[in-house]
Amino acid sequence: EIVLTQSPATLSSSPGDTVTLSCRASQSISTYLGWYQQKPGQAPRLVIYDASNRATGIPARFSGSGSGTDFTLTISSLEPEDFAIYYCQERYNWPHITFGQGTQLE
Amino acid sequence: QLQLQESGPGLVKPSETLSLVCTVSGDSITSIRFYWGWVRQPPGKGLEWIGNVFQNGNTYYKSSLKSRVTMSIDTSKNQFSLKLNSVTAADTAVYYCVRTLRYLDSWGQGTLVTVSS
Repeated sequence: EIVLTQSPATLSSSPGDTVTLSCRASQSISTYLGWYQQKPGQAPRLVIYDASNRATGIPARFSGSGSGTDFTLTISSLEPEDFAIYYCQERYNWPHITFGQGTQLE
Repeated sequence: QLQLQESGPGLVKPSETLSLVCTVSGDSITSIRFYWGWVRQPPGKGLEWIGNVFQNGNTYYKSSLKSRVTMSIDTSKNQFSLKLNSVTAADTAVYYCVRTLRYLDSWGQGTLVTVSS
């Protein structure tokens, strides 16, 4: 089973800042990685798929990059609504998938 | 507009079977492209993929849950279901049903299932 390790566990920032979240895979997964945003009491929402593609309706301040084992999610000019928990997810062995443990952006 | 809605008991006794149904509206569950799945989230913890089911009934489960999980699909009702047997307190979680095509693009609102006597 592929293990995804996210860092940091918690990231403190302020509106207007630019932040970078990391996700590392235990083996190469090409670009088969997505990112989700989850706000309290809500279901997660897909933000990025296949490492760098924004999902429908996601603002341009969200960007993803990486391939192989190292991936990043960058959020530029943080808005108040961006403070949430972010999870990465791999699909290398689709239909089997795994999630990272999450990064809380506070 | 696609909607997924979980339903089922909110309280299950230890050693019994957790049973949930997801009703899909706004799309056909026989859509050739999509898989349908379940994800759970224990209180205050991260997301855990449980498994996926395809319209033809093919299922794919997380290896550590495989011995206890059964998923099925009812195309006549546009529903799919989850059964998890021999539950313990560790199975207490919010359970989400999802539509998935490599990534989980639509989620139900989630339903909390508590395992307790």
